[in-house]
Amino acid sequence: EDQVTQSPEALRLQEGESSSLNCSYTVSGLRGLFWYRQDPGKGPEFLFTLYSAGEEKEKERLKATLTKKESFLHITAPKPEDSATYLCAVQYPTQGAQKLVFGQGTRLTINP
Amino acid sequence: EAGVAQSPRYKIIEKRQSVAFWCNPISGHATLYWYQQILGQGPKLLIQFQNNGVVDDSQLPKDRFSAERLKGVDSTLKIQPAKLEDSAVYLCASSLGSVLTGTSGPLSYNEQFFGPGTRLTVL
Repeated sequence: EDQVTQSPEALRLQEGESSSLNCSYTVSGLRGLFWYRQDPGKGPEFLFTLYSAGEEKEKERLKATLTKKESFLHITAPKPEDSATYLCAVQYPTQGAQKLVFGQGTRLTINP
Repeated sequence: EAGVAQSPRYKIIEKRQSVAFWCNPISGHATLYWYQQILGQGPKLLIQFQNNGVVDDSQLPKDRFSAERLKGVDSTLKIQPAKLEDSAVYLCASSLGSVLTGTSGPLSYNEQFFGPGTRLTVL
């Protein structure tokens, strides 16, 4: 079953056009939700960790928020260099261990 | 600080051949992960080491995939024999954090630092 779903799959914006990416999850006992940025041909780069509903974190033009069912990555006045695939991952306990499951990513393109 | 190193960066092989990937994590990181990322998908965890012990290999196809972590530092991932569906990017990551064995207690995963990956093409 799908435990982590990201939407939209792809998003094309004009420079300066703000928007949000969504990461919804169905796991029980969330221990952490992570956002990563991945550029073509590179490994994911860590952005944020959120631990509890209501938490928010910001970095430059990005702000991540968390509810009990989903997380949003808000992008304010994006620039072309913000173009990348944004991945979310959730950490949860299962069978006596911790699991980390990634979503499929949102491919973001910012046109100048 | 040096990042996670992986080699080779690219590999092309025929199906049924063998291939090995190497990873050198960030110095001092106890936890090492191997992920498989198929084009258009998020990374899928194959195996996780805590020092030189395996913590989670539930998604590793053990009939053809094997991995080891030498002396709790470097790691190799091997595929033998390769299939067409193994074509993917293989990512190695490391983190400082130790892994929980239960459902309570301090948070386990620290920030994971990823290497650049090895792109494998199986023909």
